[in-house]
Amino acid sequence: NAGVTQTPKFQVLKTGQSMTLQCAQDMNHEYMSWYRQDPGMGLRLIHYSVGAGITDQGEVPNGYNVSRSTTEDFPLRLLSAAPSQTSVYFCASSPDVTDTQYFGPGTRLTVL
Amino acid sequence: GIQVEQSPPDLILQEGANSTLRCNFSDSVNNLQWFHQNPWGQLINLFYIPSGTKQNGRLSATTVATERYSLLYISSSQTTDSGVYFCAVLKSNFGNEKLTFGTGTRLTIIP
Repeated sequence: NAGVTQTPKFQVLKTGQSMTLQCAQDMNHEYMSWYRQDPGMGLRLIHYSVGAGITDQGEVPNGYNVSRSTTEDFPLRLLSAAPSQTSVYFCASSPDVTDTQYFGPGTRLTVL
Repeated sequence: GIQVEQSPPDLILQEGANSTLRCNFSDSVNNLQWFHQNPWGQLINLFYIPSGTKQNGRLSATTVATERYSLLYISSSQTTDSGVYFCAVLKSNFGNEKLTFGTGTRLTIIP
């Protein structure tokens, strides 16, 4: 099993550009989530999904969209990048939100 | 929403020392997990411990749910224990399944 994979590992964008951060898992987990990690602030939940076709907002959803068309994939879209979105983004999955969370390696995003 | 506070924010110890990290939370929770983020950024789950005590080698954790805190113990620390330790809690409400993370304890082990 590859576990949770994220691409790309690093990305630099200009203000106003859009992009999609990819997340995939091969463990048949129903629950998937996206977090951003900023210095001194821990991890903050952006969006989550309890299964294919079902998504919901987390703590900091503004400026991000998600969809969950398959169990395996949970992409995160930045519609119009802003410098405030410079951060490290982590994707996680688990059989259920109450279970152990498995994290991907992260994507470091810089918005100029 | 639920508040999660971790202490101390920073801890520097000599190799071989023992340490206790604390996580306080503001409401009853259904789920509490401890994570270690290594210096390369990888997040690894250490314990799933909504209540009681668990041990895994040199690490152990205790959650006292009625008093709203959890403790992570690291004994005979090694340089590989360095990194940031996070606790995360879940207060499950119907249609509101979200983990909330604390801001972490940064542990540095000096050889």
